[in-house]
Amino acid sequence: NAGVTQTPKFQVLKTGQSMTLQCAQDMNHEYMSWYRQDPGMGLRLIHYSVGAGITDQGEVPNGYNVSRSTTEDFPLRLLSAAPSQTSVYFCASSYAHGVRGRNEQYFGPGTRLTVT
Amino acid sequence: GENVEQHPSTLSVQEGDSAVIKCTYSDSASNYFPWYKQELGKRPQLIIDIRSNVGEKKDQRIAVTLNKTAKHFSLHITETQPEDSAVYFCVVESSGTYKYIFGTGTRLKVLA
Repeated sequence: NAGVTQTPKFQVLKTGQSMTLQCAQDMNHEYMSWYRQDPGMGLRLIHYSVGAGITDQGEVPNGYNVSRSTTEDFPLRLLSAAPSQTSVYFCASSYAHGVRGRNEQYFGPGTRLTVT
Repeated sequence: GENVEQHPSTLSVQEGDSAVIKCTYSDSASNYFPWYKQELGKRPQLIIDIRSNVGEKKDQRIAVTLNKTAKHFSLHITETQPEDSAVYFCVVESSGTYKYIFGTGTRLKVLA
């Protein structure tokens, strides 16, 4: 049971380049989400999904796209990278209806992205 | 949308003392309030959570209290140990939307 996995661990992009951050989970969780973490700002929700074929915007969705074609995978696409997107990106997953109301989110190890 | 404020941003305590971190939120319909701990260079992990129909919950040395009327909740850590040193985040789920809003974090340092 690998839990939540993310690739790559590190990435450097030039302004204007596009790329996809990969996220996968093997816990059959309905809910998956993407956050970015910047110093002093906590984690901010980018996009989330409550099941295959269903996605919605979080707090900071601009410049990012997502899709959810399977329960296991939830890739995050940067359309045209900008220096403001330099951050650590975390993917997370949980059951949509937690056991006894506990919706514990399991986080991946993170991807550190630098845009120059 | 939901607004979450967390205080203090840094907190230093002597080993064995208690630590308290407070969060306020804006949406009175919010009903799920977890706390996550993030050690340096690692991923966040859930340490305790509470739902709006409960006023207090305890798990060994950690406890969370919720005041729905005042829209604030707090994390209490007793008998602090060096391994409690980390960044702690309060989180609010906006009324069943699956939108989790994180506070800005509190860096706790437990001094030996």
